[in-house]
Amino acid sequence: AQKITQTQPGMFVQEKEAVTLDCTYDTSDPSYGLFWYKQPSSGEMIFLIYQGSYDQQNATEGRYSLNFQKARKSANLVISASQLGDSAMYFCAIGGGKLIFGQGTELSVKP
Amino acid sequence: NAGVTQTPKFRILKIGQSMTLQCTQDMNHNYMYWYRQDPGMGLKLIYYSVGAGITDKGEVPNGYNVSRSTTEDFPLRLELAAPSQTSVYFCASSYSATEYNSPLHFGNGTRLTVT
Repeated sequence: AQKITQTQPGMFVQEKEAVTLDCTYDTSDPSYGLFWYKQPSSGEMIFLIYQGSYDQQNATEGRYSLNFQKARKSANLVISASQLGDSAMYFCAIGGGKLIFGQGTELSVKP
Repeated sequence: NAGVTQTPKFRILKIGQSMTLQCTQDMNHNYMYWYRQDPGMGLKLIYYSVGAGITDKGEVPNGYNVSRSTTEDFPLRLELAAPSQTSVYFCASSYSATEYNSPLHFGNGTRLTVT
């Protein structure tokens, strides 16, 4: 069985600063994908970034990067230069096809 | 670019009533999913489908049924609604389940309240 743990229920960050959202996972599958989604207050689920278990390099998408440490089973999301519009719930997920989600971290960006 | 479309957006049901949540996608994805999100929680998989005519249970299937007669449509049926089914329901699709770089594309959700 696969499992995702997000230990930070809520985080605050100052505008323009970087922030790291933690995600640890557990799986017995040799191959898997790790995903981060953003859910703003409007409720939709927005795909941010993907990391494959065999990818040699950490994934990056604009201001988002994924700090993937396979031996530690962690896949932390780093958001650089935070913006007010980054305030949202962030979910980490694992799988291939059907995904298992963590409970999320609520990020608040302060002006 | 419609993507994944869910209807209705909101619904209030009385205990014991039934309803169908509609989901359609225009991306020609074989894989479709239904998730529910309870307040302050992550998403839990209810049912999924790997193609027309094929469905399977997820983590929390009790109280729900699905069908997949076409590639585009994946309706979710609630029979005998209970207050525990008050939740936000998301439909999603993906082009692959074996290629891991295949993110889920989500609809905008249906907010269901059972009273």
